[in-house]
Amino acid sequence: QSALTQPPSVSGSPGQSVTISCTGTSSDVGSYNRVSWYQQPPGTTPKLMIYEVSNRPSGVPDRFSGSKSGNTASLTISGLQAEDEADYYCSSYTRSSTYVLFGGGTKLTVL
Amino acid sequence: EVQLLESGGGLVQPGGSLRLSCAASGFTLGNYAMTWVRQAPGKGLEWVSDISESGGSTYYADSVKGRFIISRDNSKNTLDLQMNSLRAEDTAVYYCAKSLGGGIYKYYFDYWGQGTLVTVSS
Repeated sequence: QSALTQPPSVSGSPGQSVTISCTGTSSDVGSYNRVSWYQQPPGTTPKLMIYEVSNRPSGVPDRFSGSKSGNTASLTISGLQAEDEADYYCSSYTRSSTYVLFGGGTKLTVL
Repeated sequence: EVQLLESGGGLVQPGGSLRLSCAASGFTLGNYAMTWVRQAPGKGLEWVSDISESGGSTYYADSVKGRFIISRDNSKNTLDLQMNSLRAEDTAVYYCAKSLGGGIYKYYFDYWGQGTLVTVSS
């Protein structure tokens, strides 16, 4: 099964907001709220930022928020900071044999 | 403090085998599902395999099904991935990751190891 679809890159200036989309199908994002987002700065390991579409683990700033509409989930980062520059990956449970899908990743550049 | 430490990576020829291990500490391994995720050089994340808390249920990506075997020893706090019939496209950094919890939370990974590099090449 194909990965979830994310834009390759997004950018924004400090203080602005950006939204990263994640498009799946009715077999994954569209039918289940088991969507998560991971942040991976260069040279580091992934960090869980959002789970169950919109929940933040302890320690994740409330500048990070998640939502979903139909087959598309979104991660919004408000009040952009230089430290937010990283690759972001969405993930979803899928009822296909693959079990868990990741998106292709989106590189966020803070201008 | 939760820690996950992978080992066992290295250079292997196509068709060869390799066994990865992940040593877990700072939490009770038997209370959490565990997962292997890989990342090819310069590429995105790919889910590889998942094992339930007891080890009774296992799941595999289509790309590795029939070639990889995931296992765990909760008494030794270790998670393993036996990789057979390796191909060039299996070249990647392999991460072990801990699930956030049970039930619906098993699909989320809140702690990741530093990863171990597997290179499949002749």
